Amino acid sequence: KAGVTQTPRYLIKTRGQQVTLSCSPISGHRSVSWYQQTPGQGLQFLFEYFSETQRNKGNFPGRFSGRQFSNSRSEMNVSTLELGDSALYLCASAKGHDQPQHFGDGTRLSIL
Amino acid sequence: GEDVEQSLFLSVREGDSSVINCTYTDSSSTYLYWYKQEPGAGLQLLTYIFSNMDMKQDQRLTVLLNKKDKHLSLRIADTQTGDSAIYFCAESPSGYSTLTFGKGTMLLVSP
Repeated sequence: KAGVTQTPRYLIKTRGQQVTLSCSPISGHRSVSWYQQTPGQGLQFLFEYFSETQRNKGNFPGRFSGRQFSNSRSEMNVSTLELGDSALYLCASAKGHDQPQHFGDGTRLSIL
Repeated sequence: GEDVEQSLFLSVREGDSSVINCTYTDSSSTYLYWYKQEPGAGLQLLTYIFSNMDMKQDQRLTVLLNKKDKHLSLRIADTQTGDSAIYFCAESPSGYSTLTFGKGTMLLVSP
């Protein structure tokens, strides 16, 4: 059974640009969550989608947005990139609420 | 508010047992998790425990939960060099999939 797949694995952008990250959940999983991991702040929750609806959102500015498609695949978008957005972005999927989350290997985003 | 705390570093010798500790604050947590992260990789789900359980054993891993003290521990028996990694404790409140993580404990296993 394939795990959570995130693409691309690495990205380099410059300040002011925008970026879209993609996540394909484990087959049959309908919940997709996104997390940001940085050395200073650790792992922080961005948002969660379930059946194409955003169920919960973390404390991040509006530049961070996401969506989920009918096949449960999800995308995350960051606009007007800042140096502080450099991080490992992790996607996790679960069968549903209150179910264990399984993570992908992440997308490492570097802002120059 | 929610907060999860872990010690930052643990060093053991190969073959010894490792115990990683974690404290949490959200009394409504339904699940408590342990994840492992190796360099350059994502998070690997090691094990999890329901908040109505005291203990869970899975091969070399034993999780102990003390709800009264809001204390969670992960014991790794017969620790191997391949167990060297960062271990994260996480909690999830009831009805939500949001995970709140600790800062992680770096486990170093020496031969």
